[in-house]
Amino acid sequence: AQTVTQSQPEMSVQEAETVTLSCTYDTSESDYYLFWYKQPPSRQMILVIRQEAYKQQNATENRFSVNFQKAAKSFSLKISDSQLGDAAMYFCAYIAGGTSYGKLTFGQGTILTVHP
Amino acid sequence: DGGITQSPKYLFRKEGQNVTLSCEQNLNHDAMYWYRQDPGQGLRLIYYSQIVNDFQKGDIAEGYSVSREKKESFPLTVTSAQKNPTAFYLCASSGSFRQPQHFGDGTRLSIL
Repeated sequence: AQTVTQSQPEMSVQEAETVTLSCTYDTSESDYYLFWYKQPPSRQMILVIRQEAYKQQNATENRFSVNFQKAAKSFSLKISDSQLGDAAMYFCAYIAGGTSYGKLTFGQGTILTVHP
Repeated sequence: DGGITQSPKYLFRKEGQNVTLSCEQNLNHDAMYWYRQDPGQGLRLIYYSQIVNDFQKGDIAEGYSVSREKKESFPLTVTSAQKNPTAFYLCASSGSFRQPQHFGDGTRLSIL
């Protein structure tokens, strides 16, 4: 079974600084997708960034980027120039193709605090 | 605006009662999903549906039931067999497994 592990229950960062959230996953699949979702206090789940496993290039969305290490099964999220609005719970998630259609597996989450 | 609407926002269940959570989407997505989130935890998949009139059990389906009679709608019933229903429930949809899932705002279910 696929598993997703976020080893940092909580992280903090100063406003305008950079922070990296860690995620590792376990799978025997070759075709899969990885995501980072943000859940602010409103509890809404917001997609931050996605990475296709077949792409070697790391995904980037404005201040958010990932470091995807396929061999190490690692998928970390880097937030640059942190803003107060970035404070939230961040979830790493994995989905495989084929018969695993629809089964998005989430990590336990990392609470990010941003200090002014 | 396209999106996913969950209702109600808050729901209370009495002992022995079944309750139904509503999820409607106007994104024209084929796939829909129900997740449960317990405090401080990640999301766990309850049920998912790829097409109308078809659905599959997720990791924690016991005590829950769903139906998919229309593409836009995927209601979740929490039955009296679910002994610990207090949680935050999120509905999601996607065009295909390669596309990200879009989430509703959730329903918080509590026991009276």
